[in-house]
Amino acid sequence: DQQVKQNSPSLSVQEGRISILNCDYTNSMFDYFLWYKKYPAEGPTFLISISSIKDKNEDGRFTVFLNKSAKHLSLHIVPSQPGDSAVYFCAASVKTSYDKVIFGPGTSLSVIP
Amino acid sequence: NAGVTQTPKFQVLKTGQSMTLQCAQDMNHNSMYWYRQDPGMGLRLIYYSASEGTTDKGEVPNGYNVSRLNKREFSLRLESAAPSQTSVYFCASSTDGPYGYTFGSGTRLTVV
Repeated sequence: DQQVKQNSPSLSVQEGRISILNCDYTNSMFDYFLWYKKYPAEGPTFLISISSIKDKNEDGRFTVFLNKSAKHLSLHIVPSQPGDSAVYFCAASVKTSYDKVIFGPGTSLSVIP
Repeated sequence: NAGVTQTPKFQVLKTGQSMTLQCAQDMNHNSMYWYRQDPGMGLRLIYYSASEGTTDKGEVPNGYNVSRLNKREFSLRLESAAPSQTSVYFCASSTDGPYGYTFGSGTRLTVV
C-alpha cells in the first residue's frame, strides 16, 4: 500500500497558465515534504520542500501548500513554461529517520507552447 | 562540479551474473543512498549509509549488498542478478540526513 500517492500520472497545461500537481500521504508521522523534478535520462533534482510546521513555502514560480488535516500537499507552478515539462515526484519523510523518505510514483507534466 | 557520478550508465546482464554499480560524490556529503525506480512505483530505497563506516537496509534490500568504501564512494553489488532486478538505479547523497538529495544520472540495468 503506497504511503505517498500521486493520483494523476500525467498533466497537460498551456504555457503561461498555472500547473497544480497534487500529492496525498497516509502516514501521519511524516513531518517533512519535498518535490523533485526529473528530466528523461537524468537523475531527479530537488525543487522545493516544506516542513510540517508550515502550510506554505514559496520559491520563485514554485509554491508548495501543505494541508496536514487532509494529509495533502500540492505544488503550484505559475506561470508554467515549456522547460517545466518533466516528471515531478512528491516525497515525504520523517526528519530523524534516514530510511523513511518515501517517494510517490510521479506525475508527468507537459507544458504546451 | 561533478556532483554525484554513477557508472556504468547502461548494463545488460544474464540471469545469475554479478556486477557492481559504482557511485562517487565530490560534495563532502555524509549520507549516501541507493534507490531503484520502477514504472508506477516511484523511487524505493535499497540501502543507505548515514555516515562513513555505516550501512543500513532500506525498503527493498533483498538481492543486494553495499559497501561504503570511504566518504566519497558507495557501491551497490548484485551477487546473482535476477530479471526482477531490471530497473533504473539511482545513487544520491545529502549533507545532513533525509533532506534534499543530490542524485546521480542513473544506471539502466536489464537482466535477461
